[in-house]
Formats: sequence, structure tokens, C-alpha cells
Amino acid sequence: DSGVTQTPKHLITATGQRVTLRCSPRSGDLSVYWYQQSLDQGLQFLIQYYNGEERAKGNILERFSAQQFPDLHSELNLSSLELGDSALYFCASSVGHPYTGELFFGEGSRLTVL
Amino acid sequence: SQQGEEDPQALSIQEGENATMNCSYKTSINNLQWYRQNSGRGLVHLILIRSNEREKHSGRLRVTLDTSKKSSSLLITASRAADTASYFCATVLNTGNQFYFGTGTSLTVIP
Repeated sequence: DSGVTQTPKHLITATGQRVTLRCSPRSGDLSVYWYQQSLDQGLQFLIQYYNGEERAKGNILERFSAQQFPDLHSELNLSSLELGDSALYFCASSVGHPYTGELFFGEGSRLTVL
Repeated sequence: SQQGEEDPQALSIQEGENATMNCSYKTSINNLQWYRQNSGRGLVHLILIRSNEREKHSGRLRVTLDTSKKSSSLLITASRAADTASYFCATVLNTGNQFYFGTGTSLTVIP
């Protein structure tokens, strides 16, 4: 158990809808990272927050947004969903910033868009 | 893209054999890390090698890093069926915070 909690584990929705994925980092970790894992594209870095502030941005679509709250949990909002958004979405956490050590991953949220 | 690329994409070996997978990357790095992912699960950190290190061992794992060739290899010795998983390399830039993962090597160890 990494200590990183993601909910929901599975989510099925229709095109055009909006969903929110939630992540609670390990106790004491201030950074949260979001990744998307599609079947044939490996892990794509989306965005990173540290102590409530956005610190790094990757290949995140404009339809997607994220935030980190004062209690350090983070939410990834996906809107106007398309079939291609079906993927595993992972959250990872780390203690500091800048940070170069190991990441601790949650078990992921599997999103299926029909 | 700054992502690493693993090679081969898939590897199937008999239990007891060694498994070698490679990772190539494009930019200067602070360190390179290897992670393991069991099917549909989260990634688990295996080992980290810094840019000034050439080789590192952890149990049955041996990692090498050649910064001149921008490549790394992960060797799993005396493989077990339980080693069946996908293995990813992640490159970490000197600025920190950004971890770039490759597409992974899917390892199957046949009992």
C-alpha cells in the first residue's frame, strides 16, 4: 500500500459528460502529480501541484483541469469527454519541491467513455 | 518528447532465466528510475540511479546507466513467475518535479 488513495476506482460515463477524479496523497506529502495511461501511449504527465499551487504542466488538454486543496487532496476534472479520454488516470505524490526522488502512486481511476 | 523509450516492448522468458530491458532517453537528466506495474495496478518504484552513477544493484535487480549514450538497462536475474509485470523507466530532469515515463516493457515469466 503506497498510502496514496484514488477514487473512484472505476467510472463509466458517456461522451460529452464531465467527471471528477480525486486523489489523497501520502501523509506528509505536499506534491501531487497526475498521469494518464492509455493502452498504447504509456504514462503521459498531465500536471503537478505543490502545496496548493500548480508547479509543472505537461500534456494536459484544455478540457481538463486540476486543483489541490488546503488539505492537500487533489481533483482532476475532465469535461466534454471523448472516447479517446478512456484511460487509467494515476495520481502520485512526493514530499518536496523541487523533487527528484521516487514517486508513490495510487492504484488509479479507470475511466471508460462510451 | 522527453519520454524514455523502453526496448523491447514485450519479453517472454522461462522462469530462472535473466531478463534485460533497455531504456533510451533524449535530454540531460538528474536521475533515472525504474518502476514496475502489475496489470491494471499502480506503479511501484524499484530503483533509482543518479546521473553520476554507472551501475546499481538491489536484490536481483541490476541497473546500468550510460549518460553518453543516454541509455539505461534493467537486468532481473533468476526471474520468477511473480516478476511478470510491465516495467517502466522514468527520467527526471535536473529541475526536478517532472518525471517522464516511457511506454514500458511487458515481461512474461513462464513457470
